[in-house]
Amino acid sequence: KQEVTQIPAALSVPEGENLVLNCSFTDSAIYNLQWFRQDPGKGLTSLLLIQSSQREQTSGRLNASLDKSSGRSTLYIAASQPGDSATYLCAVEGGANNLFFGTGTRLTVIP
Amino acid sequence: NAGVTQTPKFQVLKTGQSMTLQCAQDMNHNSMYWYRQDPGMGLRLIYYSASEGTTDKGEVPNGYNVSRLNKREFSLRLESAAPSQTSVYFCASRGGHLLAQYFGPGTRLLVL
Repeated sequence: KQEVTQIPAALSVPEGENLVLNCSFTDSAIYNLQWFRQDPGKGLTSLLLIQSSQREQTSGRLNASLDKSSGRSTLYIAASQPGDSATYLCAVEGGANNLFFGTGTRLTVIP
Repeated sequence: NAGVTQTPKFQVLKTGQSMTLQCAQDMNHNSMYWYRQDPGMGLRLIYYSASEGTTDKGEVPNGYNVSRLNKREFSLRLESAAPSQTSVYFCASRGGHLLAQYFGPGTRLLVL
């Protein structure tokens, strides 16, 4: 069974810093990897999806990379803002309907 | 577009009671999903529906049933609620050219 790990579980940074969130997975046979944001008491918002044939995706200040062979993905957030404070979840898809989630990294950006 | 909507937002049940969680999407997606989210465990797939008229079990289906009423709606039923089913339930649909998953706002369920 695919296992997805996100370290650290929590992270605090001062506003303006660049930061990297990590995601690792045990089975490299994936279809895609998706990064989500979850605000307290809310649903999940899709940030970026990287297909298995891709190495990275970018959206604004966010950049996600994928290294299937090593079972790793990173989410880079540039020039962090207090509004970026949320929990960030990584999920890998191992089949047409099998999405496995990590437990997330709770990010706090301090003004 | 409302995206994915869920009702109710919050529910308290007594052990043994039944209820149905409703989910609807207006994005014309074929696939729909039900997940539960528990502290320290991440989201886990309960059931999914790859298309109208089909449903399949996910990782944690015991104690639940589902109905894919039509392309828009996918409901989750708890026939006899147990305290272990206290959780936050999310519905999602999948589509678009990247086949990303889109989530509803969740239903918080407390079983006493």
